[in-house]
Amino acid sequence: QVQLQESGPGLVKPSETLSLTCTVSGGSISSYYWNWIRQPPGKGLEWIGYIYYSGTTNYNPSLKSRVTISLDTSKNQFSLKLNSVTAADTAVYYCAIGEYYFGYWGQGSLVTVSS
Amino acid sequence: DIVMTQSPDSLAVSLGERATINCKSSQSVLYSSNNKNYLAWYQQKPGQPPKLLIYWASARESGVPDRFSGSGSGTDFTLTISSLQAEDVAVYYCQQYYNTPITFGQGTRLEIK
Repeated sequence: QVQLQESGPGLVKPSETLSLTCTVSGGSISSYYWNWIRQPPGKGLEWIGYIYYSGTTNYNPSLKSRVTISLDTSKNQFSLKLNSVTAADTAVYYCAIGEYYFGYWGQGSLVTVSS
Repeated sequence: DIVMTQSPDSLAVSLGERATINCKSSQSVLYSSNNKNYLAWYQQKPGQPPKLLIYWASARESGVPDRFSGSGSGTDFTLTISSLQAEDVAVYYCQQYYNTPITFGQGTRLEIK
């Protein structure tokens, strides 16, 4: 059973870079599509993008200019960087597996953007 | 982007009764080459990540009770809970994966009447 766990700072200052890591256990990161999805408090879900194990990425155009998703196969982890953050980026950030639909999710990591 | 619109925004149903949630996409999510609808449904309870219920519009994820069913094709889809249980109180989302960006509906809150 694959398990995912997000980690990273819970507070980021405006204009700085949000960085999160998703650690994969119970399975190899050298396969599948690895996604980031976020949910502002009390609101709906927004797909941020994915990285395929080959390194191919696909980002939501609404965030593409600020997002980087990368893989670290040696640590069985993948990461999200979102730069130039504002209060609108405050959300629970989830990592999830899937090319189309998402059968496995992490528990989520709340990131607040505030000075 | 494909816009997913759910109705209603909230719904109250008595225990044991049927609950029906609708989802409409701004363009068809039926891929003609394989005759599959690129549509999934999720259940989200407070403080938890979404849980996959249905994919390919009508395929039930392993372990999901058979009171949950999905139907529809093209642009109009329905999630039905045949006999509402207390543990079904949650927010439900539809999601299209016909093309990127992947998009979700705004969610439907299901409560007990």
